[in-house]
Amino acid sequence: RKEVEQDPGPFNVPEGATVAFNCTYSNSASQSFFWYRQDCRKEPKLLMSVYSSGNEDGRFTAQLNRASQYISLLIRDSKLSDSATYLCVVTPRGTYKYIFGTGTRLKVLA
Amino acid sequence: NAGVTQTPKFRVLKTGQSMTLLCAQDMNHEYMYWYRQDPGMGLRLIHYSVGEGTTAKGEVPDGYNVSRLKKQNFLLGLESAAPSQTSVYFCASANPGSSIGANVLTFGAGSRLTVL
Repeated sequence: RKEVEQDPGPFNVPEGATVAFNCTYSNSASQSFFWYRQDCRKEPKLLMSVYSSGNEDGRFTAQLNRASQYISLLIRDSKLSDSATYLCVVTPRGTYKYIFGTGTRLKVLA
Repeated sequence: NAGVTQTPKFRVLKTGQSMTLLCAQDMNHEYMYWYRQDPGMGLRLIHYSVGEGTTAKGEVPDGYNVSRLKKQNFLLGLESAAPSQTSVYFCASANPGSSIGANVLTFGAGSRLTVL
């Protein structure tokens, strides 16, 4: 089983739609969680950190479920510019490593 | 503020040649990382460093060596390039800590390497 798993997609949604991605992780002792965004042929960039109580940044909401070992990302009112690959990142406790999922591709259609 | 800078951005090598990728960060970060990204494989950790003078193996270290002689620089070497090392290489850095905003990984723009 991979340490971090994501549905590769693509998720094709119309503008204005709400879309949600999940990411599961296998190490129950994982410490920090992030969502990154990666545009084609570019470097990954931080979208948001994920906190235990859940957090929101504009149209984006991230949640952590430690009991079921998954994090989620909700995008409301999708824009064309949201089209990208979204990467889930987990840092296992006691290590210095950042473990990446393979990413979920989102296409927002006009 | 340059952040993380990688050189070169593009390189074509012949099998058996050697080369070094340079990563430089100006954020005084302790941790530095080298990843490779291949289609369908996601980002895989090659080597990493948690401080000047230290290095450690990641998930796919074979065929690569690294050095961290200065805190701001992390070098990735290919001693004898193979076609399987054709990939996009990303360097990243972070600072430890549990406060909000800490330990966020910042990436360089990537280096595209083709081995013929």
